[in-house]
Amino acid sequence: AQRVTQPEKLLSVFKGAPVELKCNYSYSGSPELFWYVQYSRQRLQLLLRHISRESIKGFTADLNKGETSFHLKKPFAQEEDSAMYYCALSLFYGGSQGNLIFGKGTKLSVKP
Amino acid sequence: ETGVTQSPTHLIKTRGQQVTLRCSSQSGHNTVSWYQQALGQGPQFIFQYYREEENGRGNFPPRFSGLQFPNYSSELNVNALELDDSALYLCASSSPSGEETQYFGPGTRLLVL
Repeated sequence: AQRVTQPEKLLSVFKGAPVELKCNYSYSGSPELFWYVQYSRQRLQLLLRHISRESIKGFTADLNKGETSFHLKKPFAQEEDSAMYYCALSLFYGGSQGNLIFGKGTKLSVKP
Repeated sequence: ETGVTQSPTHLIKTRGQQVTLRCSSQSGHNTVSWYQQALGQGPQFIFQYYREEENGRGNFPPRFSGLQFPNYSSELNVNALELDDSALYLCASSSPSGEETQYFGPGTRLLVL
């Protein structure tokens, strides 16, 4: 069965420290993976997708098919990075992106 | 360009009642997906509508049903409400012809007493 696991419910770091939010997935097909972020009192929004291979707000994530992981990293955390982060795996229906399977989320707290 | 909107923002119902939640998709998007997010959990896929037809369904019972209208807005209906249906219901729209990113609405918080 398809599954996304985020082992940490809460990650607390100091400003300027490196951040790594872990995500592991279980999927027999070719995965498409995403990181979504939800800042306080805001809606869920896309942070990045592995297919784009881009860096957003200093965050990067590399798909490691061997380890079935898609960890989110940032070298120097900022206070404004404090938010809830969700890793998600996309299944496709008829060629269209369909079901997003989300992990339970990791709350990142960046302390001054 | 307007984003995804949902109504109402909050709702309180009692067990056994029926509820209808509404979603207006982002301009230009013809696909709408619905998710249920229980407290402390990630969103869970309910179903997706594409051009007014159901285009995939998650592990939810038939009492969860939906509609999509010609203007691509959508409704989620839940019959015979149960206490466990208390959650945040999220709607997301996307366009298969584009980059297919799903854009989420702010959600409707449903409390079943």
